[in-house]
Amino acid sequence: QKEVEQDPGPLSVPEGAIVSLNCTYSNSAFQYFMWYRQYSRKGPELLMYTYSSGNKEDGRFTAQVDKSSKYISLFIRDSQPSDSATYLCATPRMDSNYQLIWGAGTKLIIKP
Amino acid sequence: NAGVTQTPKFRILKIGQSMTLQCAQDMNHNYMYWYRQDPGMGLKLIYYSVGAGITDKGEVPNGYNVSRSTTEDFPLRLELAAPSQTSVYFCASTVPGADTQYFGPGTRLTVL
Repeated sequence: QKEVEQDPGPLSVPEGAIVSLNCTYSNSAFQYFMWYRQYSRKGPELLMYTYSSGNKEDGRFTAQVDKSSKYISLFIRDSQPSDSATYLCATPRMDSNYQLIWGAGTKLIIKP
Repeated sequence: NAGVTQTPKFRILKIGQSMTLQCAQDMNHNYMYWYRQDPGMGLKLIYYSVGAGITDKGEVPNGYNVSRSTTEDFPLRLELAAPSQTSVYFCASTVPGADTQYFGPGTRLTVL
């Protein structure tokens, strides 16, 4: 079982829709989770991070962690074509300083 | 600041050739990383470094070598290129306590 699992998609939705992107993790000791956004032919950039204690909101984006089911979610409200990108979840490795465990990334397409 | 820079942007190699992918950062970051990204597979760590003169293997180090003689530079060497090394390579850097890794724009490598 992979430590962090993520459906690679693609996920295609119409502009204005609410988008839900998800990852599952295997180790209940993981406490800090990040969402990176990667535009085509670019490097990933941190979008937001959250601790396992709950939700975090930033504009149209909300990151949520459900510890009981080991499930992390990123919600995008009022989705825009400019949100089209690959979204990767990540969490720090427990046994090594500053290494991250990455999900496979979900490719999101917002249709105008 | 230029951030993390990578050269070249694109390269085509023949089987058995060698090359060096260059990575430099001007943020005085101690930690530097090399990843490869294949479609639908997320980021796989090849090598990382916690400071000048210190390097260590990641998940997929076979076929690659690194060196870190300065804080700024972290080149990745491919010896005897194979088609399995066709991928997009990203360099990243960070400092202890930072919330994120900072990525370069990537090098697209094709081995034919």
